[in-house]
Amino acid sequence: AQTVTQSQPEMSVQEAETVTLSCTYDTSESDYYLFWYKQPPSRQMILVIRQEAYKQQNATENRFSVNFQKAAKSFSLKISDSQLGDAAMYFCAYRLRPSGSRLTFGEGTQLTVNP
Amino acid sequence: EAQVTQNPRYLITVTGKKLTVTCSQNMNHEYMSWYRQDPGLGLRQIYYSMNVEVTDKGDVPEGYKVSRKEKRNFPLILESPSPNQTSLYFCASSAQESNTEAFFGQGTRLTVV
Repeated sequence: AQTVTQSQPEMSVQEAETVTLSCTYDTSESDYYLFWYKQPPSRQMILVIRQEAYKQQNATENRFSVNFQKAAKSFSLKISDSQLGDAAMYFCAYRLRPSGSRLTFGEGTQLTVNP
Repeated sequence: EAQVTQNPRYLITVTGKKLTVTCSQNMNHEYMSWYRQDPGLGLRQIYYSMNVEVTDKGDVPEGYKVSRKEKRNFPLILESPSPNQTSLYFCASSAQESNTEAFFGQGTRLTVV
């Protein structure tokens, strides 16, 4: 069975600074997707970034980027130039390809952004 | 607008009183799932459906039922709720192609007293 672990229950960062959230996963599969979701106080689940395991290049979306280390089964999220609106719970998630349904989530990291 | 709609958003009920949380999507997605979110545990899958009349258990199915009679709807049924089912529930849908993202509903905060 696949598992996803986020070892940092809480993180904080100063506005405009950079923060990295950690995620490790365990799988015996080679073809899968990894995601970071953001959950603000509104509870809405918002996709931040997606990484296909077969791609060596790390995904980037504006101020958000990942460090994907397939051999180490590590998938960290870097947020640059942090903004107050980045404050949220962040979840790392795994999905096997081609199965389109099942997402396995980590425990979550609560990010606080200090002005 | 593409969306997944859950109702109700908040619900307080008593132990043993049957309840249904509805979920509807307007994107013609094949896959639909239910998750529960608990502090320190992240989101865990309860049940999922790959298409009409096709459902299967997720990681934590005990105490829950689902049905998929129409492609757009995937209700979650608690026939005899217990306090340990107090949680935040999410419905999600995604298309059959594996590279598509999952779309989540707004969440249902359920309290069983």
